Amino acid sequence: NAGVMQNPRHLVRRRGQEARLRCSPMKGHSHVYWYRQLPEEGLKFMVYLQKENIIDESGMPKERFSAEFPKEGPSILRIQQVVRGDSAAYFCASSPTGTPSSEQYFGPGTRLTVT
Amino acid sequence: TQLLEQSPQFLSIQEGENLTVYCNSSSVFSSLQWYRQEPGEGPVLLVTVVTGGEVKKLKRLTFQFGDARKDSSLHITAAQPGDTGLYLCAGVPYSSASKIIFGSGTRLSIRP
Repeated sequence: NAGVMQNPRHLVRRRGQEARLRCSPMKGHSHVYWYRQLPEEGLKFMVYLQKENIIDESGMPKERFSAEFPKEGPSILRIQQVVRGDSAAYFCASSPTGTPSSEQYFGPGTRLTVT
Repeated sequence: TQLLEQSPQFLSIQEGENLTVYCNSSSVFSSLQWYRQEPGEGPVLLVTVVTGGEVKKLKRLTFQFGDARKDSSLHITAAQPGDTGLYLCAGVPYSSASKIIFGSGTRLSIRP
């Protein structure tokens, strides 16, 4: 049973470009969470999605950031017009139920570098 | 804003020594989790504690949830080089069950 898959693992973008990060949850999981981690810091919640629905996006910046989890295919975190401050590791997690008290399984992350 | 503070931030000790990592907050959580993260990888869940005062053991690791559900500790006995990593505590707030609040982490290094 494959774990949470994220791609690409590393992404380099120049300022002003768009970054698209993909996350395929574990088989049977319908809940996806995105987190951002700066070096030597903990993870910061960004958004929680179920299939075709955004449930909680309170941790996501209002501008330039968007997320989706379509009926078919992976969840996408999209960052438009990237700036240097967007450089970070972005982690996706999935769970089989909606409550985080159940286990959340994390992917290996996408490391975004904005030059 | 609910915050979880971990201490120490960095810890480097000799193999075989014991250590304790602390996770503190002024807020109450419905449950608290501990994760370990290795470089270049995502966090891996070690344990979830749910009941105030609960103690859970995982081989040489002992996790305790404070009576007031505001704090937790991780104690490692006879540390091994394989214990090296970033340890993160994470709390699930009562106010919102859809997101986890992570501490800033403790970077642990065990010298052979």
